[in-house]
Amino acid sequence: GQNIDQPTEMTATEGAIVQINCTYQTSGFNGLFWYQQHAGEAPTFLSYNVLDGLEEKGRFSSFLSRSKGYSYLLLKELQMKDSASYLCAAMDSNYQLIWGAGTKLIIKP
Amino acid sequence: EAQVTQNPRYLITVTGKKLTVTCSQNMNHEYMSWYRQDPGLGLRQIYYSMNVEVTDKGDVPEGYKVSRKEKRNFPLILESPSPNQTSLYFCASSGGAFSGANVLTFGAGSRLTVL
Repeated sequence: GQNIDQPTEMTATEGAIVQINCTYQTSGFNGLFWYQQHAGEAPTFLSYNVLDGLEEKGRFSSFLSRSKGYSYLLLKELQMKDSASYLCAAMDSNYQLIWGAGTKLIIKP
Repeated sequence: EAQVTQNPRYLITVTGKKLTVTCSQNMNHEYMSWYRQDPGLGLRQIYYSMNVEVTDKGDVPEGYKVSRKEKRNFPLILESPSPNQTSLYFCASSGGAFSGANVLTFGAGSRLTVL
């Protein structure tokens, strides 16, 4: 079956770096998305990877290894506003998105 | 402003009373989708539509209906709501096949409670 795994919750300190991992198993693969979702709000797009390697966007970077079925989201210079859930979603061969349950990131001062 | 608008944002209803959650997008997007989000389960797709008059079941379609008579609107209908449909619902749209350029834009969410 198709499956996405990511940690349920992580805690980090303001100003630090945190890495949120995501492993996926899908029927075919057409890319991996990361979304940010603040409590009670809609998910918003952060990044998309379809090729192996690291994509950097300011304080946020996303990495993909297709051979390992693995991705991570790296957040640098953490700010309190980064407290949110981070959703990993893989696109299968039918271009359908398979969503993980999300990782709740708690930032402490 | 480009957006997906869904209404109502909050609704408390009783078992069996038909309700409709409206969804409208102003981006001329072809693809629209409904999700429900429950704690610990992530986003689960209910129905999606690739274009006008084309709808398909997602992972959890039981108890729901949709229609796509116009490109901009994609209402979600609960003919006879039950307590297990208490959830947070999101409508989303996209301009086409998903990629880094074509991503899902979500509405603000509709929190539904069925008593």
